[in-house]
Amino acid sequence: AQSVTQLDSQVPVFEEAPVELRCNYSSSVSVYLFWYVQYPNQGLQLLLKYLSGSTLVKGINGFEAEFNKSQTSFHLRKPSVHISDTAEYFCAVSKSGSGGSNYKLTFGKGTLLTVNP
Amino acid sequence: GAVVSQHPSRVICKSGTSVKIECRSLDFQATTMFWYRQFPKQSLMLMATSNEGSKATYEQGVEKDKFLINHASLTLSTLTVTSAHPEDSSFYICSASSGRRSYNEQFFGPGTRLTVL
Repeated sequence: AQSVTQLDSQVPVFEEAPVELRCNYSSSVSVYLFWYVQYPNQGLQLLLKYLSGSTLVKGINGFEAEFNKSQTSFHLRKPSVHISDTAEYFCAVSKSGSGGSNYKLTFGKGTLLTVNP
Repeated sequence: GAVVSQHPSRVICKSGTSVKIECRSLDFQATTMFWYRQFPKQSLMLMATSNEGSKATYEQGVEKDKFLINHASLTLSTLTVTSAHPEDSSFYICSASSGRRSYNEQFFGPGTRLTVL
């Protein structure tokens, strides 16, 4: 089984400041890793994903994340945040190479990013 | 592309009644659909996975007789909460994926807020 730990439940930052949201995972098998964003009362939108290849992954809205296998981490970063980035961010993991109905996501508890003016 | 809708977006019902939530993939065929439950300020918990034309696979601890899932077509899955009680109040989110490759992105619906009085 896989598990995901998001170390910070809330991260307040000022507009135009850099931000890092931390995510660590646990798994006995190879994994795919994801970051999703959720705005209030909405579903989830995929920010970026790591499947294989380059460990630095770039996503939408200027976000990027780096897969570190030795530290089992997949931290999300943005060099300069905007007010509109205020949302809940979820890190998720699934077994790699899983097809069909075996492709299940395990989510972390989420990090609320609040960008203040 | 890859839009998933849910209906209704909000529903309030009396204790003891049954509520049906629809999840539709609008512009692709969803061979697999997932149903999640999210409590306030918490993560998404997978309830069940369904493949078109077959019975849903429920996660441990989820009552299959209480949460009936039907995936009758490649574009529609329904979740029926039977004899709903106040503790069933939650945010229900579906997601859909297509194909049976090793990785198939899940596209999330906007969610349904269920309140049981």
